[in-house]
Amino acid sequence: QVQLLESGPRLLKPSETLSLTCIVSGDSLDDYFWTWIRQPAGKGLEWLGRIYSSGASYYNPSFGGRVSMSLDMSKNHFSLQMTSVTPTDTAVYYCARTPGMHVRGRWLGPWGQGILVTVSS
Amino acid sequence: DIVMTQSPVSLPVTPGEPASISCRSSQSLLYSNDNYLDWYLQKPGQSPQLLIYLGSNRAPGVPDRFSGSASGTDFTLKISRVEPEDVGVYYCLQVFQNPFTFGQGTRLEIK
Repeated sequence: QVQLLESGPRLLKPSETLSLTCIVSGDSLDDYFWTWIRQPAGKGLEWLGRIYSSGASYYNPSFGGRVSMSLDMSKNHFSLQMTSVTPTDTAVYYCARTPGMHVRGRWLGPWGQGILVTVSS
Repeated sequence: DIVMTQSPVSLPVTPGEPASISCRSSQSLLYSNDNYLDWYLQKPGQSPQLLIYLGSNRAPGVPDRFSGSASGTDFTLKISRVEPEDVGVYYCLQVFQNPFTFGQGTRLEIK
C-alpha cells in the first residue's frame, strides 16, 4: 500500500525558504497529482497546490507566488518550497496523493503523517 | 474562489444516535453528473482521512453508517449511529475548481 512521509527542517527564521519533501513508497509518482495542504495549530485545513506527474502544477494564488512544487521521479518524491516565510506560516504541513487525469474525482488520499514547521526568530 | 460554508461548528452526540453535518458551496460543484465534493475526518492527533468522495461514494474501508448526499449546492454527511471512534473534526472539500477549498470544520464530540 502506498505511504507518504514528509521530511525537512522543522524550524525556520522569518524570511527564509521552507523546503519540504514527501517521500512516496509503495507506488510510483506516475499518473497522479501530488498535493500539499497545511494546518495552523488549532485551525482548519488549507490547500496549497498540486503537481502532476508530468510536472504541470497549480498553486493557490492566496500565497502570492511564494509557493512552488517539484518532483523527482527517480527518487520517487515531490517537494514544496515556500519563500519569505513569516510566523503565520507556522503549521503542520501534509502531503497527499490525488487521482490523476483519467479518474473521476480529485480526492486526497492517502495523506502523510504531517510535519510541524515553526517559523520564529 | 469557491467558498464552503460548513455547519455546525460543534456537534455533541450521544452514542447510537444519528448525526448530520452540512456544507454549502458558493457555486455548483456538478460536473458530468458528479458532485466534486469530498468529506474527511481528522481524528485527534491524526492526519485527515477520506470518508466520502464525489459527494456520495464511501471510500474503501469506511463503515456504511457514513453516507453523503447532495441537493444543488447543499451537501450533507450523515452518520446513522454515532460510535465513540467517530469523534474528531469533519471537513468538506470542494475539488471542482482550483484552488480547492475546505469548509471550516465540524467538531463531533460524544456526550
